[in-house]
Amino acid sequence: AQKVTQAQTEISVVEKEDVTLDCVYETRDTTYYLFWYKQPPSGELVFLIRRNSFDEQNEISGRYSWNFQKSTSSFNFTITASQVVDSAVYFCALMGDYKLSFGAGTTVTVRA
Amino acid sequence: GAVVSQHPSWVICKSGTSVKIECRSLDFQATTMFWYRQFPKQSLMLMATSNEGSKATYEQGVEKDKFLINHASLTLSTLTVTSAHPEDSSFYICSAQLAGPTDTQYFGPGTRLTVL
Repeated sequence: AQKVTQAQTEISVVEKEDVTLDCVYETRDTTYYLFWYKQPPSGELVFLIRRNSFDEQNEISGRYSWNFQKSTSSFNFTITASQVVDSAVYFCALMGDYKLSFGAGTTVTVRA
Repeated sequence: GAVVSQHPSWVICKSGTSVKIECRSLDFQATTMFWYRQFPKQSLMLMATSNEGSKATYEQGVEKDKFLINHASLTLSTLTVTSAHPEDSSFYICSAQLAGPTDTQYFGPGTRLTVL
């Protein structure tokens, strides 16, 4: 069975602060895929990143960065110098058995 | 690329009526589409997996006779909520995969259904 845990329900920061979202997963598969999606108030899920289980290289894309550690089964996401437009619900997801299992989501509120 | 649309974006209907929601992949062909349901302030729950030209595979607990899924072409899947009731009110989101079963899923904007 696949399981994704996002322990932080809500995070509130002031603009320009950094914010890190935690994601811990459980799977028995040796090959799996991890994702982060952003869901702004409009409701649409926006794909942010995909990471294969055999690629532990960290990734940076603009103000976003991801830290994948198989040893701790974690795939954390950091927003650097947050902006009001970053306010959204962020979901971590795990693909196993060709299906996506989502975490509960973390609501990020960035205040001006 | 990888744009998925849904129609309608919102719908209000009376209890007992049926509602059809369309999901289209606009710039790619999707052999597999997925339907999710999301209640307020909750995560997404997979309802069914839809493959073009074959019957949908429903998740445990999802009534296949109530939520009819048709995947008639590589760019269109439809979800029909039959005899809708207030408890069916929810946010329905579809997704589509470009290539194989481990490919990234791209999501539509969602459809908010309210049953009175």
